[in-house]
Amino acid sequence: LAKTTQPISMDSYEGQEVNITCSHNNIATNDYITWYQQFPSQGPRFIIQGYKTKVTNEVASLFIPADRKSSTLSLPRVSLSDTAVYYCLVGGPLGGGYNKLIFGAGTRLAVHP
Amino acid sequence: SQTIHQWPATLVQPVGSPLSLECTVEGTSNPNLYWYRQAAGRGLQLLFYSIGIDQISSEVPQNLSASRPQDRQFILSSKKLLLSDSGFYLCAWSSGENTEAFFGQGTRLTVV
Repeated sequence: LAKTTQPISMDSYEGQEVNITCSHNNIATNDYITWYQQFPSQGPRFIIQGYKTKVTNEVASLFIPADRKSSTLSLPRVSLSDTAVYYCLVGGPLGGGYNKLIFGAGTRLAVHP
Repeated sequence: SQTIHQWPATLVQPVGSPLSLECTVEGTSNPNLYWYRQAAGRGLQLLFYSIGIDQISSEVPQNLSASRPQDRQFILSSKKLLLSDSGFYLCAWSSGENTEAFFGQGTRLTVV
């Protein structure tokens, strides 16, 4: 399983775009990159998943460079309700990566008025 | 649609008492099932995962155990709780075909 490294915390203000980068230098060829959001006293919630280039949904965008050794979660125009912990997760079909889901320490995002 | 139920929501137990947390999934078959623990202000620690009935893997040595008596039922147990077992316990399921997992609402356990 590829190990991930994220910043421990980030601060932003309402209306700004927030980019959270995750490093995964030993990502395997078949691994996917997934991001989760967790609010206090709740379970994590799936945000977005991608394999390469760019993926966009109604919540966020995920940018993955060609070497796939990192990924960036982009949250457009954040609001106070986006204050949460964001986890980057890497896994694939080989080596039990789809079965053993291990979360890193996450990035604690604080959005200020 | 699939749903996951986890109970109880909160629990206060004395040291040395037993523990049983239950998790059930509806609307899917043969899911991967997980138990995580989260200490205050910390990340998620994977405790157990199961890819099928009687197929349970333990990730962290501890005084906890897990069982899967039915396809969509996952139980976390302990014979004697320790103070260090306090935390937020989360059950989750996934299809096993990707890294998208769905979490229950969690159980906040306080061992006193």
